[in-house]
Amino acid sequence: DSGVTQTPKHLITATGQRVTLRCSPRSGDLSVYWYQQSLDQGLQFLIQYYNGEERAKGNILERFSAQQFPDLHSELNLSSLELGDSALYFCASSLGIQETQYFGPGTRLLVL
Amino acid sequence: SQQGEEDPQALSIQEGENATMNCSYKTSINNLQWYRQNSGRGLVHLILIRSNEREKHSGRLRVTLDTSKKSSSLLITASRAADTASYFCATDAHTDKLIFGTGTRLQVFP
Repeated sequence: DSGVTQTPKHLITATGQRVTLRCSPRSGDLSVYWYQQSLDQGLQFLIQYYNGEERAKGNILERFSAQQFPDLHSELNLSSLELGDSALYFCASSLGIQETQYFGPGTRLLVL
Repeated sequence: SQQGEEDPQALSIQEGENATMNCSYKTSINNLQWYRQNSGRGLVHLILIRSNEREKHSGRLRVTLDTSKKSSSLLITASRAADTASYFCATDAHTDKLIFGTGTRLQVFP
């Protein structure tokens, strides 16, 4: 158990819908990262927050957005969902920047 | 785009044998990390090696780093069936984000 929690574990929804994935980092960690893992793209970095501020952006679509709240939990919002958005979405946290990242168990999203 | 590529893509061995996985990357780094992922589950951090380190050990794991060749290897000694998983290297390319390789799928047969 990494100490990072993610909800929900599974999500099945339809194209065009919007979903919110939630992540609680390890106690004391200030950085939160979001990754997408799909069969064809592998593990892709989406976005990073550090102490509430966006710090780095990766291959995140404009239909996706995220935020980190004052209590340091983070949410990833996926809108206008497409079939290709079906994937495992992981959240990771670290104490600071360029430190070991600890991953949550992931949210499996299936878009039908 | 993938920064790292693991080789081999898949590896099958018997319990007790050693497993070696290699990772090559493209740009200079601050550190390189190895992660394990059991099928469909979260990634588990195994070991971090900094760019000024050449070798690191953790239990049955041995990681080497050759920055001149931009490559790293992960050796698992005396493998067990429980080591069956996918193994990924991840590099930082002097940024905060991790860029993962394509992974090596290891199968250890009892």
